[in-house]
Amino acid sequence: QKEVEQNSGPLSVPEGAIASLNCTYSDRGSQSFFWYRQYSGKSPELIMSIYSNGDKEDGRFTAQLNKASQYVSLLIRDSQPSDSATYLCAVEVGAGGTSYGKLTFGQGTILTVHP
Amino acid sequence: DADVTQTPRNRITKTGKRIMLECSQTKGHDRMYWYRQDPGLGLRLIYYSFDVKDINKGEISDGYSVSRQAQAKFSLSLESAIPNQTALYFCATSDLAGGTDTQYFGPGTRLTVL
Repeated sequence: QKEVEQNSGPLSVPEGAIASLNCTYSDRGSQSFFWYRQYSGKSPELIMSIYSNGDKEDGRFTAQLNKASQYVSLLIRDSQPSDSATYLCAVEVGAGGTSYGKLTFGQGTILTVHP
Repeated sequence: DADVTQTPRNRITKTGKRIMLECSQTKGHDRMYWYRQDPGLGLRLIYYSFDVKDINKGEISDGYSVSRQAQAKFSLSLESAIPNQTALYFCATSDLAGGTDTQYFGPGTRLTVL
């Protein structure tokens, strides 16, 4: 089993819809969770981080974390064509509140928002 | 992010050649990382450094070496390049602000080994 696994894409949604991106992880010691967006040919950019169980909202983006199920998701409301990109889930492992300082990335999910 | 720069941006080389990729940052971060990205495989960690005197292997370090010349500079070398090292290479930095490891990426170097 891969350490960090994302739902296989590509994912295609119509403009204005909700896009749902999912990620599972295998290490129960994981402490911090990140979503990066990567446009074609560009570098990843951080869009959301989440550390505690529950939801975290930032504009049209909502990250959801369930540590018991080892699951983190990203919802994009009112999807726009400019949201079309590859979304990377990243997980940081640590113990006792101390970060190990490394991220493990999922393979990425390609999202296309069509007009 | 202009705070993290990588040179060269594109490079074509031949099998067996030695090549160095360079990364510089003006963020003042202690931690620096080298990743490679291949289609469908996400980002994989090659080497990382938490300060000038600390160098650690990542999950795919074979065939690569690194040098941390200063807090702001971290270089990746391919001693004898081979075709399966053709990939997109990213440098990243972080400073563990607030106890978490938010990483910021450079623009990438596209390397082709013929």
